[in-house]
Amino acid sequence: DVKVTQSSRYLVKRTGEKVFLECVQDMDHENMFWYRQDPGLGLRLIYFSYDVKMKEKGDIPEGYSVSREKKERFSLILESASTNQTSMYLCASSLSLFTDGYTFGSGTRLTVV
Amino acid sequence: GESVGLHLPTLSVQEGDNSIINCAYSNSASDYFIWYKQESGKGPQFIIDIRSNMDKRQGQRVTVLLNKTVKHLSLQIAATQPGDSAVYFCAEIPPLLNAGNMLTFGGGTRLMVKP
Repeated sequence: DVKVTQSSRYLVKRTGEKVFLECVQDMDHENMFWYRQDPGLGLRLIYFSYDVKMKEKGDIPEGYSVSREKKERFSLILESASTNQTSMYLCASSLSLFTDGYTFGSGTRLTVV
Repeated sequence: GESVGLHLPTLSVQEGDNSIINCAYSNSASDYFIWYKQESGKGPQFIIDIRSNMDKRQGQRVTVLLNKTVKHLSLQIAATQPGDSAVYFCAEIPPLLNAGNMLTFGGGTRLMVKP
């Protein structure tokens, strides 16, 4: 089974801190994604990557950046955390964008105080 | 699926009954649809998928129905169990790939199973 591992389940950070959320998948998937999940708003795509060093903005990229230096790892960076970035962050990967569902990690619940 | 503000639509069923969760999708050209289950504190898990050339697909205790005429998906769970309690999302993949056309999720429905 594909496994997508997010490094932290819970994080508490202070406003203005630089925050790194790490995600690793073990099945050689080309595509990786970062979503945030908020009550009533569902899952919203922040960034995705279809290859090493390639990235594309999703629906809500403002305040975030990403890094994909290796195929298995996709990092989400909050350059200067703000309280409105308090959310559940979900990483996902997929082999194909068209024919496969996404496999999700367990999520990181980030609280910015 | 549609967002309904701060509160998810909730379906409450008795253990052993059948559950039907509905979802409206937005793009009539979407090729591929997926249902996900998300339990509390966990990421979404794949349940079942269906392609646009099918009307129905069955899995173990679950059936997905696709009505392309009205852009509607449903997930039927037979003999619902307490372990089925979760939030269920539908998702669609549009046919054209670009940064704006990725897998898009509905807002979700919370299923509560009463013992």
